[in-house]
Amino acid sequence: NAGVTQTPKFRVLKTGQSMTLLCAQDMNHEYMYWYRQDPGMGLRLIHYSVGEGTTAKGEVPDGYNVSRLKKQNFLLGLESAAPSQTSVYFCASSYSLAGNYNEQFFGPGTRLTVL
Amino acid sequence: QQPVQSPQAVILREGEDAVINCSSSKALYSVHWYRQKHGEAPVFLMILLKGGEQKGHDKISASFNEKKQQSSLYLTASQLSYSGTYFCGTEQGFGNEKLTFGTGTRLTIIP
Repeated sequence: NAGVTQTPKFRVLKTGQSMTLLCAQDMNHEYMYWYRQDPGMGLRLIHYSVGEGTTAKGEVPDGYNVSRLKKQNFLLGLESAAPSQTSVYFCASSYSLAGNYNEQFFGPGTRLTVL
Repeated sequence: QQPVQSPQAVILREGEDAVINCSSSKALYSVHWYRQKHGEAPVFLMILLKGGEQKGHDKISASFNEKKQQSSLYLTASQLSYSGTYFCGTEQGFGNEKLTFGTGTRLTIIP
């Protein structure tokens, strides 16, 4: 099993460009999450999904959109990139959030730089 | 609102003990602990549930005080492999569906 994979691993964008980050998991997990990690800020939730076809906003959703058309994939889109979106992006998935089954498995991350 | 972790950073010699604290201003249903090594993804350590027992993982254990809305992570006889940044993630209420992570505690173990 590959677990959680993310593409691309690195990307450099110019201000105003758009891009999509892809997250895929092969563990049949219901829940998927997108986080951004900035120095000194920890992990902040951007958007999440509790099942195929559902999405919800997290703590810092502005400037991002997401889609969950297939259970195994969760896409994060930047429509018009800004330098403030320079960050490391992590995708995570979990089986559920009930009791002991809500361990989150993280992907390797995508390092995005916006010039 | 993010939980507050303390200390922000700590340096230990191999074999020493450490305690990392995580406090929330809101009532909690569960607390997760993760460790992240430099340049890598966070890795799950343990979950503590409201009403549950203290958990252990090798020489790493944790407690959860529901009334005080805080959790502590205990690292005993630290090893070089324990180096990394430790994050607590809090779940506010059963079915809340998401975690709020603290800003992390950087732990450095020196020989």
